[in-house]
Amino acid sequence: NAGVTQTPKFQVLKTGQSMTLQCAQDMNHEYMSWYRQDPGMGLRLIHYSVGAGITDQGEVPNGYNVSRSTTEDFPLRLLSAAPSQTSVYFCASSYSINSDSYEQYFGPGTRLTVT
Amino acid sequence: QKEVEQDPGPLSVPEGAIVSLNCTYSNSAFQYFMWYRQYSRKGPELLMYTYSSGNKEDGRFTAQVDKSSKYISLFIRDSQPSDSATYLCASRYNFNKFYFGSGTKLNVKP
Repeated sequence: NAGVTQTPKFQVLKTGQSMTLQCAQDMNHEYMSWYRQDPGMGLRLIHYSVGAGITDQGEVPNGYNVSRSTTEDFPLRLLSAAPSQTSVYFCASSYSINSDSYEQYFGPGTRLTVT
Repeated sequence: QKEVEQDPGPLSVPEGAIVSLNCTYSNSAFQYFMWYRQYSRKGPELLMYTYSSGNKEDGRFTAQVDKSSKYISLFIRDSQPSDSATYLCASRYNFNKFYFGSGTKLNVKP
């Protein structure tokens, strides 16, 4: 199993550009989520999904869109990039959220710089 | 106020020392508490978890939760240079949301 994969690893965008961060998992996990990690702020939840076709907002959703058309994929879209979105983005997945599941498996991250 | 607060450190200790890492949380509804370890430029990986109050031991690691004071601790015995990493505490709320502390950077010197 590849686990959770993310592409690209690095990206530089200009203000106003849009892009999609890709995330895929091959563990048949129902729950997937996106976090951003900033110095001194820790990991903050952007959006999450409890299954194909179901998404919801996390702690810091503004400026980001998600969709979940398959169990495996959970892309994160930046609609109009801003310097405040410079961060490291992590995708994570977990077994069914309706259980005592506690472990999230994280991808390697995407380092995004917006100039 | 963040849901989970954590001293960012850095914390530097000699090899073999006992390390104590701590977090506080604000929401009394939190029931699942986790510790993740994150090496530089890598994604976090789960180290330990506890449910409700009490202790849990796994080798050199002990996780402790005190719900009365909303305090989460991780103890590392006989610390090794390979333990050098950032340690993130986290809590799961309402099945869907996970809240993370900002992480404590630990350096174990040989």
